[in-house]
Amino acid sequence: AQSVTQLDSHVSVSEGTPVLLRCNYSSSYSPSLFWYVQHPNKGLQLLLKYTSAATLVKGINGFEAEFKKSETSFHLTKPSAHMSDAAEYFCVVSDQPNSGYALNFGKGTSLLVTP
Amino acid sequence: NAGVTQTPKFQVLKTGQSMTLQCAQDMNHEYMSWYRQDPGMGLRLIHYSVGAGITDQGEVPNGYNVSRSTTEDFPLRLLSAAPSQTSVYFCASSRGGGYTFGSGTRLTVV
Repeated sequence: AQSVTQLDSHVSVSEGTPVLLRCNYSSSYSPSLFWYVQHPNKGLQLLLKYTSAATLVKGINGFEAEFKKSETSFHLTKPSAHMSDAAEYFCVVSDQPNSGYALNFGKGTSLLVTP
Repeated sequence: NAGVTQTPKFQVLKTGQSMTLQCAQDMNHEYMSWYRQDPGMGLRLIHYSVGAGITDQGEVPNGYNVSRSTTEDFPLRLLSAAPSQTSVYFCASSRGGGYTFGSGTRLTVV
């Protein structure tokens, strides 16, 4: 069985400071892991994905995430927050081809960026 | 290249009415799935398909039916709408890596 836990439901940072959004996962197989972002009243956009290549994954808009198997974590980071980063972020795991690689979402972390 | 197209974008139904949410993809993706999004719940899997003619249930399938007669289309049917089905619905497709999502259908059942 696969599952994802996003450790913070809300994170608030000041513009220009680092962002850390935490995610732990469990999976019976070798998982694929994703971070998606959703801006208010918008659809979902893929930020980055890990599929068993490099453990440090770089995504769009300066975000990156590190896969740590020993800690079963896949935390999302960005060195310097921008006002446009304010959004809902979802950590997602997918591991079973016989389930169509269906995605299992965390409950989301709402990122607030203050001036 | 349209990607994943969902129609309609908005819909209001009365309790007991039926309707079909349409989803079409033009990327020849094998895998397709439907999710619903509710506040504080993330996205939850309703049904998924691993290819034409093959569908299966996800986490929250009750009240919904699907079929996959072609690779391109994966409609979601509500047979008798209930207020608990008020939600935002997303369709997604994949070739086996990350999924591409449609823009969503906001459904209100009154």
